[in-house]
Amino acid sequence: GNSVTQMEGPVTLSEEAFLTINCTYTATGYPSLFWYVQYPGEGLQLLLKATKADDKGSNKGFEATYRKETTSFHLEKGSVQVSDSAVYFCALLKAAGNKLTFGGGTRVLVKP
Amino acid sequence: DVKVTQSSRYLVKRTGEKVFLECVQDMDHENMFWYRQDPGLGLRLIYFSYDVKMKEKGDIPEGYSVSREKKERFSLILESASTNQTSMYLCASSRDRAAQPQHFGDGTRLSIL
Repeated sequence: GNSVTQMEGPVTLSEEAFLTINCTYTATGYPSLFWYVQYPGEGLQLLLKATKADDKGSNKGFEATYRKETTSFHLEKGSVQVSDSAVYFCALLKAAGNKLTFGGGTRVLVKP
Repeated sequence: DVKVTQSSRYLVKRTGEKVFLECVQDMDHENMFWYRQDPGLGLRLIYFSYDVKMKEKGDIPEGYSVSREKKERFSLILESASTNQTSMYLCASSRDRAAQPQHFGDGTRLSIL
């Protein structure tokens, strides 16, 4: 079946540091890939997505590239802010499917 | 903006009680979902519905049921609550079957004593 594996947190960084959160997936065919973010006390919201191989999703300074050869969709940001402190979830949607499969989530804490 | 509203932010119930979690969306979305969120396990799909009175089991439906009598409302029911159902419950909706993003409510933190 489909699965998503994320690096375990928490990840603690200083402001302006570089952030990488690893995400790898197992799926048949060509799934779409997503990063969702959950700020404290809130539900999840879509951060970025990529629907085919080599696509790059980007939003709010975050980027992730769909790498089919390594089945990965790593999230990166060049300079984090305290307001980026949140839990980040990688997810996949299989082709012609309607159910998201989520990774375990990675908590990120950015200190001033 | 789409708004998904969950009726309670925090709920405390006792073992054996029948528990109702309510979710309402205001954008006429066809699809609605119920997830539970547990540390290290991410979100796991309990049930979803793609139309009024339609429902499908997700990955962990045991101990739960759902009701969708109106398009905007999707209820999750714990028939006889147990302590292992203590969790954060998230409701989501989307425009059609494969549409993304899913729009999430703020969650209900349910404690079963």
